[in-house]
Amino acid sequence: AQSVTQLDSQVPVFEEAPVELRCNYSSSVSVYLFWYVQYPNQGLQLLLKYLSGSTLVKGINGFEAEFNKSQTSFHLRKPSVHISDTAEYFCAVREHGSSNTGKLIFGQGTTLQVKP
Amino acid sequence: DVKVTQSSRYLVKRTGEKVFLECVQDMDHENMFWYRQDPGLGLRLIYFSYDVKMKEKGDIPEGYSVSREKKERFSLILESASTNQTSMYLCASTNRPLGGSPLHFGNGTRLTVT
Repeated sequence: AQSVTQLDSQVPVFEEAPVELRCNYSSSVSVYLFWYVQYPNQGLQLLLKYLSGSTLVKGINGFEAEFNKSQTSFHLRKPSVHISDTAEYFCAVREHGSSNTGKLIFGQGTTLQVKP
Repeated sequence: DVKVTQSSRYLVKRTGEKVFLECVQDMDHENMFWYRQDPGLGLRLIYFSYDVKMKEKGDIPEGYSVSREKKERFSLILESASTNQTSMYLCASTNRPLGGSPLHFGNGTRLTVT
């Protein structure tokens, strides 16, 4: 069965430093991959998604992610973070050719804490 | 922009009460979902619906039911609320063809059962 593991529950980082949030998945078939962000007291917003093609995907707010099929990873990166990036980040997967449901399987979430 | 609206941001209910959480989307999406969010557990799927009056169980359906009488509205029902159902509940929708279509989320309902 498919699953998603976010390896860090919390990532503290200083403002303007680079950051990487790690995500690994398990699936026996090809997948679509997503990163969402959740600001305090809000729902989830889509940051970026990988469907096919180039393994480097650019998203909103300066974030990007790289799909690595051999390592079954989809790590999220930003070269220089801002205080406003403080939020919870979720990695999610949907299998190709799965039943006509569209459901996403989510990781446990990573809290990014940007310090001044 | 897609708008998914959850009727309540905060709810406080007593153990044993019947609780209704309402969700409405305005983009004519076929598929709708209810997730539960708990710290350290991420989002877990409770139920989903891929058409009016159609529903399927997700990963944690016990203690919940759903209703979808109209395409735009998807309700989550706690038949007899218990303290272990205290959580954040998130509704989402998506359109077809599915593939890489993302889920669009509401702002969530934080339910406290006392």
